[in-house]
Amino acid sequence: DVKVTQSSRYLVKRTGEKVFLECVQDMDHENMFWYRQDPGLGLRLIYFSYDVKMKEKGDIPEGYSVSREKKERFSLILESASTNQTSMYLCASSFARSLAKNIQYFGAGTRLSVL
Amino acid sequence: EDQVTQSPEALRLQEGESSSLNCSYTVSGLRGLFWYRQDPGKGPEFLFTLYSAGEEKEKERLKATLTKKESFLHITAPKPEDSATYLCAVYGSARQLTFGSGTQLTVLP
Repeated sequence: DVKVTQSSRYLVKRTGEKVFLECVQDMDHENMFWYRQDPGLGLRLIYFSYDVKMKEKGDIPEGYSVSREKKERFSLILESASTNQTSMYLCASSFARSLAKNIQYFGAGTRLSVL
Repeated sequence: EDQVTQSPEALRLQEGESSSLNCSYTVSGLRGLFWYRQDPGKGPEFLFTLYSAGEEKEKERLKATLTKKESFLHITAPKPEDSATYLCAVYGSARQLTFGSGTQLTVLP
């Protein structure tokens, strides 16, 4: 079974803190994604990566950055957390460059609260 | 810009009461439509992919269908364990999935 593991299920941070969310997948997938999920807005793509050291902006990259130094690990960084970044963060991975045909596998999510 | 609208937002059914969830989409060149199930506190779990109008996929009590403008997820004789949020997503002109906001299904015993 594919496993996507997010390092924390719950996080509470203060405004202005630097926050790291970690994601690891064990299926040698090339593609990895970070989404945030908010009530009524669905999943929105923050950043994605097709290969090591490669990253592309999604729909809402402002206030976030990412790092992919190894194929299995994709990190989401909030440089200076703000209250409007309180959300559920979901990591996903997928195999093959043809995104129309592959399946994204999701982690359990990290619920981040910024106070 | 790809857009996905799911309806209804919430649906309550009695056990055994069949119904359908709707996913309407606007996309330039549909390359795939995905259905996911999400349980509370968990990440989405893949159910189906549909690629062309007229295509159907089935899994247990679930059946997904696709037309040129919408997809339906039919639930036949649902059980309480089918309670979850069902998400629809499309892959079109952008190199990414565009998700709807989901339908929260509750099946009462």
